[in-house]
Amino acid sequence: GESVGLHLPTLSVQEGDNSIINCAYSNSASDYFIWYKQESGKGPQFIIDIRSNMDKRQGQRVTVLLNKTVKHLSLQIAATQPGDSAVYFCAENAGGTSYGKLTFGQGTILTVHP
Amino acid sequence: DADVTQTPRNRITKTGKRIMLECSQTKGHDRMYWYRQDPGLGLRLIYYSFDVKDINKGEISDGYSVSRQAQAKFSLSLESAIPNQTALYFCATSENREYRNREQFFGPGTRLTVL
Repeated sequence: GESVGLHLPTLSVQEGDNSIINCAYSNSASDYFIWYKQESGKGPQFIIDIRSNMDKRQGQRVTVLLNKTVKHLSLQIAATQPGDSAVYFCAENAGGTSYGKLTFGQGTILTVHP
Repeated sequence: DADVTQTPRNRITKTGKRIMLECSQTKGHDRMYWYRQDPGLGLRLIYYSFDVKDINKGEISDGYSVSRQAQAKFSLSLESAIPNQTALYFCATSENREYRNREQFFGPGTRLTVL
């Protein structure tokens, strides 16, 4: 998993397995969270987002879970594929005067083996 | 994202040189951002602009300046480059509607090396 301020973690999985990438955030005022995927040589690409009034949100093969009590966010990728290999970042936003400013975690490297 | 372009894509320069990185977007977004990314670290915000007349410092603005020439253009300058500014630089844009998603759309990045 990942936590702002710690070393970049890695996750290796076999193709077809489910992957879970974790993120701990520190700002209890954050009310919007995003997961980004960054492939080598490219800019971050939006995967899925969630607002703080939700605990879970599903997309295509991805699910984001939010636990505000412990300030924890996770990204679940179902049936992981080699094309999912990338660095995954969580980002948070507190709204209000911070609206529009995203604070990024340090990322998790996901490697999917065929 | 092809809607956000950055030039140059790669640049090698020497200490003390002035460098400008340019960002253009065709998404029609009001908000633009500059980030730097270092190995093993996430993205850190350098400067951001919520409209043409608005410029704000991010968490690591020292040694950098920006110019918002138009809604579609936001440039980042290093007045006197130093080696620890060697990094990958990303431009991003987002909409200006509070109740819409706060997703940011990123350019492909500029790899800058300061010797």
